[in-house]
Amino acid sequence: SQTIHQWPATLVQPVGSPLSLECTVEGTSNPNLYWYRQAAGRGLQLLFYSVGIGQISSEVPQNLSASRPQDRQFILSSKKLLLSDSGFYLCAWKARSHRIEAFFGQGTRLTVV
Amino acid sequence: KQEVTQIPAALSVPEGENLVLNCSFTDSAIYNLQWFRQDPGKGLTSLLLIQSSQREQTSGRLNASLDKSSGRSTLYIAASQPGDSATYLCAVQETSGSRLTFGEGTQLTVNP
Repeated sequence: SQTIHQWPATLVQPVGSPLSLECTVEGTSNPNLYWYRQAAGRGLQLLFYSVGIGQISSEVPQNLSASRPQDRQFILSSKKLLLSDSGFYLCAWKARSHRIEAFFGQGTRLTVV
Repeated sequence: KQEVTQIPAALSVPEGENLVLNCSFTDSAIYNLQWFRQDPGKGLTSLLLIQSSQREQTSGRLNASLDKSSGRSTLYIAASQPGDSATYLCAVQETSGSRLTFGEGTQLTVNP
């Protein structure tokens, strides 16, 4: 069966520090991968998605970047965190078939102080 | 640009009631629509996926319908229970790419 791992679960980082959040998927190949951010009490804002290794689509210009160094690995990064980067970050994967659902990781709560 | 709207933003009902959550989208060029449940501080759990060619999907007490031409979907929850309390989100996958666009969610509280 397929599983998605996202870590860490919580993170407190000072302003100006770097960030690296990792997401990996097991049990499938060639998935679409997604990074979302969720502000408190709000919906999900799509940050990046990837349809293959090295292929990244950016949805919102901001202080973050994403990379996909391997087929089932998706990394969200920042060189210098801002206070506004605080939020709940969610990784998701979806098979290429439109008949199959999207599945989410458990999320990372990032607090920038 | 696809926009997804969910109404109401919050809903509080007594246990046992049947209820309907609404989701609308502006661009009908979609492959599918998916309903999710999110508990506080957790990731999303998939509830139902409806293909663009389908009219409805059922899972237990949940029934989701899709009217693609009018850009609407509803999630019907029968005989609600306190354990159904959560935020419910809908998302559409567009045919123009692999983007998944979400609504803001409906926060449901079922009171015992």
